[in-house]
Amino acid sequence: ETGVTQSPTHLIKTRGQQVTLRCSSQSGHNTVSWYQQALGQGPQFIFQYYREEENGRGNFPPRFSGLQFPNYSSELNVNALELDDSALYLCASSFGQITDTQYFGPGTRLTVL
Amino acid sequence: DQQVKQNSPSLSVQEGRISILNCDYTNSMFDYFLWYKKYPAEGPTFLISISSIKDKNEDGRFTVFLNKSAKHLSLHIVPSQPGDSAVYFCAATDSGGGADGLTFGKGTHLIIQP
Repeated sequence: ETGVTQSPTHLIKTRGQQVTLRCSSQSGHNTVSWYQQALGQGPQFIFQYYREEENGRGNFPPRFSGLQFPNYSSELNVNALELDDSALYLCASSFGQITDTQYFGPGTRLTVL
Repeated sequence: DQQVKQNSPSLSVQEGRISILNCDYTNSMFDYFLWYKKYPAEGPTFLISISSIKDKNEDGRFTVFLNKSAKHLSLHIVPSQPGDSAVYFCAATDSGGGADGLTFGKGTHLIIQP
């Protein structure tokens, strides 16, 4: 097991810009989920991809989008950044069923100025 | 509208004693519950889970109790050790509801005093 990795560790952007965050899932995990954790809050579900298709989304606007690739890597893209997008972004990978353990990466800390 | 609530932001327990972390939920569709532990600068790590068909699940020093009628679950850690100091998140999901992800509480910061 190689674990879930995320890049970059930290990122600073200005309002209105676009950002791409990256995640590398554990080998064999077909499902990747992305979460946003604001300061003092628990992680909040953004969306989930299964075999390169989005198959679930939380209460986030369309400017949050993603991609999943066959090599177990994935991306979270956020357009038109707002100050409230400042948060820790976590990705989690699992085999596929909701009851399968989700393994989280260390997160990317995004600051929007 | 918080569907998963952890009402204690922090909890201090002496080493060797029992730590009890509590969690309440409001969504009656939730049928699968999990506890995650998080150290600073790391992602959450899965600890233990419980399905709604059970009222107790045990794994070593960790036991989760589920009271469906009260929509309440608790995590017991016995005995508490210094390495248990971390933020603990309660999470829930509707296992038959499709890809809705996990709904997390705000977390409880557990501090184990020597």
